[in-house]
Amino acid sequence: DAGITQSPRHKVTETGTPVTLRCHQTENHRYMYWYRQDPGHGLRLIHYSYGVKDTDKGEVSDGYSVSRSKTEDFLLTLESATSSQTSVYFCAINSGSADTQYFGPGTRLTVL
Amino acid sequence: GEDVEQSLFLSVREGDSSVINCTYTDSSSTYLYWYKQEPGAGLQLLTYIFSNMDMKQDQRLTVLLNKKDKHLSLRIADTQTGDSAIYFCAESGGYQKVTFGTGTKLQVIP
Repeated sequence: DAGITQSPRHKVTETGTPVTLRCHQTENHRYMYWYRQDPGHGLRLIHYSYGVKDTDKGEVSDGYSVSRSKTEDFLLTLESATSSQTSVYFCAINSGSADTQYFGPGTRLTVL
Repeated sequence: GEDVEQSLFLSVREGDSSVINCTYTDSSSTYLYWYKQEPGAGLQLLTYIFSNMDMKQDQRLTVLLNKKDKHLSLRIADTQTGDSAIYFCAESGGYQKVTFGTGTKLQVIP
């Protein structure tokens, strides 16, 4: 158990509204990641962070922003949600050993 | 860029061995991984192999790596119904980033 929690676990929202998903870790890992999982695409990296206030884009970053003001929290914001952002979102940390990543339980987001 | 490919589906009978295959493109990958995802859950790290190894065994799991062909496989011996899940292959891509395959759904028939 890597001590990763995500909130909320489920959310339904309407097109055009902002949404923020939270990832919280208890073990002081430096690297944190946000992925989305969609059928036929596996996991795709949205953004990642390599320290407080240090973030970078992944392969599907358009329409998303992130913030990391504390080591333990990594926030993902959908600035104006669209139906194409309906997905399951996973947060992960890098354990620092063999680049192994450990995942949170996921957030299922539905944009109507 | 890096690409990891897997077949989408595998069906086996309980007690048989399962072999899940994966091909990857990044010859500089240092580590290759297998993850398991059960319904409604996050990905769980099963095992990983360092790129200079050919094989790694961990109880019922055997990982084989053919670096020349960029082929990775996961063998599950004596497959049980609890092994039914989606299995993801992944490769380390440097800069602490990992590229995941699309996943193979394993169905175990009692």
